[in-house]
Amino acid sequence: GAVVSQHPSWVICKSGTSVKIECRSLDFQATTMFWYRQFPKQSLMLMATSNEGSKATYEQGVEKDKFLINHASLTLSTLTVTSAHPEDSSFYICSAIARTRDTEAFFGQGTRLTVV
Amino acid sequence: DAKTTQPPSMDCAEGRAANLPCNHSTISGNEYVYWYRQIHSQGPQYIIHGLKNNETNEMASLIITEDRKSSTLILPHATLRDTAVYYCGGIIQGAQKLVFGQGTRLTINP
Repeated sequence: GAVVSQHPSWVICKSGTSVKIECRSLDFQATTMFWYRQFPKQSLMLMATSNEGSKATYEQGVEKDKFLINHASLTLSTLTVTSAHPEDSSFYICSAIARTRDTEAFFGQGTRLTVV
Repeated sequence: DAKTTQPPSMDCAEGRAANLPCNHSTISGNEYVYWYRQIHSQGPQYIIHGLKNNETNEMASLIITEDRKSSTLILPHATLRDTAVYYCGGIIQGAQKLVFGQGTRLTINP
């Protein structure tokens, strides 16, 4: 199966700083990538959908100026949590749709963000 | 988008078939039904997906009702390693977005 790699797998940062999370499709080109957030014992909540070369589409209630998404190439999307606060601590997961198999979505291993 | 409804938890004996239901009454005609599972805060693992026909792979079988308003994921011979949270979700062909329900926490008992 296709591989999606997220980096870092965990990060601790100070309140007020920004954190960048990378999502790479290693062996396929991803036309679309999704970013999710998951709080303990809850489901995956879709934050935004990004298509290569265009602006991300954010779900209702997700602040686009706080969660900056860049999908600069067909193999890389980044999520930057700006001015992070403790309530932003969560598990962030990306998913990618393969260009040639647009009915399958592949997930990264997730990034555990802790803001102190 | 399909809004999915799943039971919050289920138990199944090891070696038995585990049948996990999902209701998706608002699913549209070109929307695929997907199943993933998540083990202890890892990234979700793909299991199976389908549109209209029943599907089977090495992990599971997917039974979709004729009206496509519900589906059942079948793990034919559950093992302890199948203990996980199972999510069903929908994705529109052309990949607008993939959303999930609340998931079912499946516990396989020895």
